Parts: sequence; structure tokens; C-alpha cells
Amino acid sequence: AQKVTQAQTEISVVEKEDVTLDCVYETRDTTYYLFWYKQPPSGELVFLIRRNSFDEQNEISGRYSWNFQKSTSSFNFTITASQVVDSAVYFCALPRGWGSGGYNKLIFGAGTRLAVHP
Amino acid sequence: NAGVTQTPKFRILKIGQSMTLQCTQDMNHNYMYWYRQDPGMGLKLIYYSVGAGITDKGEVPNGYNVSRSTTEDFPLRLELAAPSQTSVYFCASSSILLAGGGNEQFFGPGTRLTVL
Repeated sequence: AQKVTQAQTEISVVEKEDVTLDCVYETRDTTYYLFWYKQPPSGELVFLIRRNSFDEQNEISGRYSWNFQKSTSSFNFTITASQVVDSAVYFCALPRGWGSGGYNKLIFGAGTRLAVHP
Repeated sequence: NAGVTQTPKFRILKIGQSMTLQCTQDMNHNYMYWYRQDPGMGLKLIYYSVGAGITDKGEVPNGYNVSRSTTEDFPLRLELAAPSQTSVYFCASSSILLAGGGNEQFFGPGTRLTVL
């Protein structure tokens, strides 16, 4: 079955620390995408990144980086030199996929609440 | 380009009342979705639509109804509100499906609903 697990419920760090948010997934599909979304205290969901299962290269965007490893079914998100503005809930998501309700429907993990203190 | 807009932002209902949450997108997206987010939880899909006139149930459809008469609008109707429907409701949209489900979903700002 399709499943997304974010085992870290809450993480608290001090500004400028590096922090990694874990995402482990289960899928029956051979081709799939994975997503990360950010939900700041204001409440809206903001798309951060989409990765295709064909591409296991790490992705870096400024202070954000993503490590995708099919061998361990993980898609982890690292924030380098964290800032107070990074405080938010972060969600990992996976399409339901073939035979599980369709590719247009996402399964979200429970989210990891990150608090960055000055 | 406003993206996905939702109204109202906040609402308090009494048990048994009904209401409609409005959602409009101006990106000409075929796919639209309604999610609910309970405190400390991820999002759960209520209903979705793949185009005007076509809707289907998600994971938690009981107590809700939807319609999609236009590409732009996807209202969510709550009939006979119950305390269990206290939640934050998000509408989202995405473009025509990429192979393997690679379409990002664009979310509205959410509606915070309390049923007392």
C-alpha cells in the first residue's frame, strides 16, 4: 500500500543549526514522484520540491537540500544554517498511484513541526 | 493571477447547520481537490474533481457534498454540521496529470471551521 511516514513529530533547533527532516515512503509503483510542502504559521501550504523516482541526484536550492534514496525508500530534507523564518510544519507527499486511487491524489505524511529559536 | 482563493476564512457553525465553502482557481486547472486538516495531522482528501461535471469521493467524504459546474469553481457543501467536522479546509488545484503523478498542487489559504 502507499504510505508516507514522517517519524519526527517536532524538532526544535537554535538558529544557524543544520536540521534534517526525515521522510520514508512505501509504494508499489516503479515510477513515482515525491513532494515536500511547507506550512508556515500563517497556514497556507507552499510547494517546495518535486522529485521523480528516476532521478536520485541530490537537489540543492539555497539553504535547502534533498536526499532521495530509492534503496531505503527515503526522501529527506535538510535545512542548512536554519533561520527563524524556517519555522513551519513540513509535509512529505506521494501520489496514490496505480491501483490505489490514482496518480492525481496525494498521500500526505503527518508532518514535522520545526521550531527554530533565535 | 490570484491562484486558488477560498471563502470564508473563518466560520463558526452550530450543530445541524449547513454551509458552503467556496473555492475558485484562475489557472485553468482541470483537477481540483478538497482536503481537511485536523490539529497536528496531515491532510486528508474529502472529494476531488478531474474536470467540470466530474467529481469523486476521497478518503473522508461522509457529511460533505461537492459540485463542479465550471472549470474555475469547486464548492464544498456541509450538510448538518457536526463537531467532528471542526477542521481547517483546504482547496487545491493542479494541471493535467503528468505521467506518474508529477503535478504539484496549488493550495488556497484555507478555511478554519468550528462546529459548536
